[in-house]
Amino acid sequence: EIVLTQSPGTLSLSPGERATLSCRASQSVSSSYLAWYQQKPGQAPRLLIYGASSRASGIPDRFSGSGSGTDFTLTISRLEPEDFAVYYCQQFGTNFGQGTKLEIK
Amino acid sequence: EVHLVESGGGLVQPGGSLRLSCAASGFTFSSYWMSWVRQAPGKGLEWVANMNQDGSEKYYVGSVKGRFTISRDNAKNSLYLQMNSLRAEDTAVYYCARRQGGSGSPFDYWGQGTLVTVSS
Repeated sequence: EIVLTQSPGTLSLSPGERATLSCRASQSVSSSYLAWYQQKPGQAPRLLIYGASSRASGIPDRFSGSGSGTDFTLTISRLEPEDFAVYYCQQFGTNFGQGTKLEIK
Repeated sequence: EVHLVESGGGLVQPGGSLRLSCAASGFTFSSYWMSWVRQAPGKGLEWVANMNQDGSEKYYVGSVKGRFTISRDNAKNSLYLQMNSLRAEDTAVYYCARRQGGSGSPFDYWGQGTLVTVSS
């Protein structure tokens, strides 16, 4: 079973700053099946990125994904107040990472 | 507009059973893989079960195999999760989710979730 490890566990930043979230797989995964989700308290997750780098419908272009093999990154270029949430990576539509909480500094 | 609405959650004793339902609208339900995903209180996301368009393929996470059964009724645009032999560790919000494409594709739409609490 492929294990996804996200880092950091918590990231404290201010609005306007750049956020870089990491997702590392225990073995190589296909970029085609790497996705990122955002979840706010009390809400269902929302698909942000699929295929490692493609933005889902309606997702602002400040969100971008990159990576291949075992190392993937979600970047938020300039944080907006509504971006503070928990972010999960997922591979092959099953395994999720443990999440990164992005909090306001 | 795509809508997924779960129902059927509640409080159940250990060893008991519960059936969750998910009503889908706004898309051609019979054309999509569908899944259940759960989230224990304060914890991360866990994929539970998958089903293909006609129900001929079903997949489960190891911890629920033999206890949970995913099913669907395309005529009623509905997805179900029959949960038997429930354990305390099954306590979670259960989400119905649509897969964007095939079995390995991400979840592009989610319901709001229904809470299942297993406790005596």
